[in-house]
Amino acid sequence: EVQLVESGGGLVQPGGSLRLSCAASGFTFSTYWMNWVRQAPGMRLEWVANIKEDGSQERYVDSVKGRFTISRDNAKNSLYLQMNSLRVEDTAVYYCAKGTSRGAGIFEYWGQGTVVTVSS
Amino acid sequence: EIVLTQSPGTLSLSPGERATLSCRASQSVSSYLAWYQQKPGQAPRLLIYDASNRATGIPARFSGSGSGTDFTLTISSLEPEDFAVYYCQQRSNWPPYTFGQGTELEIK
Repeated sequence: EVQLVESGGGLVQPGGSLRLSCAASGFTFSTYWMNWVRQAPGMRLEWVANIKEDGSQERYVDSVKGRFTISRDNAKNSLYLQMNSLRVEDTAVYYCAKGTSRGAGIFEYWGQGTVVTVSS
Repeated sequence: EIVLTQSPGTLSLSPGERATLSCRASQSVSSYLAWYQQKPGQAPRLLIYDASNRATGIPARFSGSGSGTDFTLTISSLEPEDFAVYYCQQRSNWPPYTFGQGTELEIK
């Protein structure tokens, strides 16, 4: 059974940093693109970033470029999102989502999410 | 960036009825469109990918159609557990992947 478990969310002040983690199990982690998707309260889903199977490529939505860094550790079956210079508008539930063999942009499985609140 | 617009915003139907949800893209996405279901407090669940392919474990009452800029998700006969918010998402032109604003399917 595929499982994705996020952690690391919390309350942080504007300008602060957080590192989210996603522990994966139930599939061969090293053979799939992985994604972070977020959802602000009452808003639509927003794709944030993804990373290739071997970590050689990363892509970001413009609003987080230069502030967020996605990474992975295939030996630990783990995905990360380092978030720096956080803004109020980064407040959201952050989900990790597994890609598929058909393409990185089909979000086949999702974690339960971790809540990030940016507020003073 | 491709903008996805879903209609209607809210759809009020009764169990057993047929639901038709629409998604329109600001430019062609070929068949690279997916549908997700989200219930309150839960993560989204993949229903349909590449316009018309059901994901693993998704009941046959869910079907998708369309190509280019106009897509439809149909639920042939609503079950009580189908009342939720539905999102479309494109993967044709990225980054970024983009989502629609959602259609809330509520019990009439």
